[in-house]
Amino acid sequence: GAVVSQHPSRVICKSGTSVKIECRSLDFQATTMFWYRQFPKQSLMLMATSNEGSKATYEQGVEKDKFLINHASLTLSTLTVTSAHPEDSSFYICSAETTPYEQYFGPGTRLTVT
Amino acid sequence: AQSVTQPDIHITVSEGASLELRCNYSYGATPYLFWYVQSPGQGLQLLLKYFSGDTLVQGIKGFEAEFKRSQSSFNLRKPSVHWSDAAEYFCAVGPVAGGYNKLIFGAGTRLAVHP
Repeated sequence: GAVVSQHPSRVICKSGTSVKIECRSLDFQATTMFWYRQFPKQSLMLMATSNEGSKATYEQGVEKDKFLINHASLTLSTLTVTSAHPEDSSFYICSAETTPYEQYFGPGTRLTVT
Repeated sequence: AQSVTQPDIHITVSEGASLELRCNYSYGATPYLFWYVQSPGQGLQLLLKYFSGDTLVQGIKGFEAEFKRSQSSFNLRKPSVHWSDAAEYFCAVGPVAGGYNKLIFGAGTRLAVHP
């Protein structure tokens, strides 16, 4: 149980375009999902907390207009990187909460912006 | 401020040897503590967690961790390491101030296993 999927696993896009990443909880409902960014050989940096039916809560320094988060249902959250630039290239990981504080992670999405 | 420190960036052990990965935290009360493992290019998998009760916690894949309040530590151990244990290990602590159920992650320890 507690399986989280992400799609796509890898994406390459051109600078200036937008990219949508999906995060799904496959066998449970998740009121809260989290989006992280991970740079090579570094830890996870929390970008935002996504709650079903309400606006996402962004961490300090994360541009909410650039990283659009939508949590339309209890099993799906999406992260859209708008007007992507090479510096947005990174590994993006989502997690979904089963019980308070217990997060299960997706396999990640490697974004490359050319 | 709440924080998590993993003092060892890289650790190399021989297959079959014992393993201890260190995790220290700074927290105002009794925290919730977690260990996660990440294989290259993958997400994180929860190894074990401590919320309360018995301070020695058993996890998956033969791992265990011990919560020591006096030392503000939550070290991960395994008596005999397998080559498949080579990965990145993250310690995490929560809840974090700022709402919802956020966790803070340590910088990670990369484990290499020699045959």
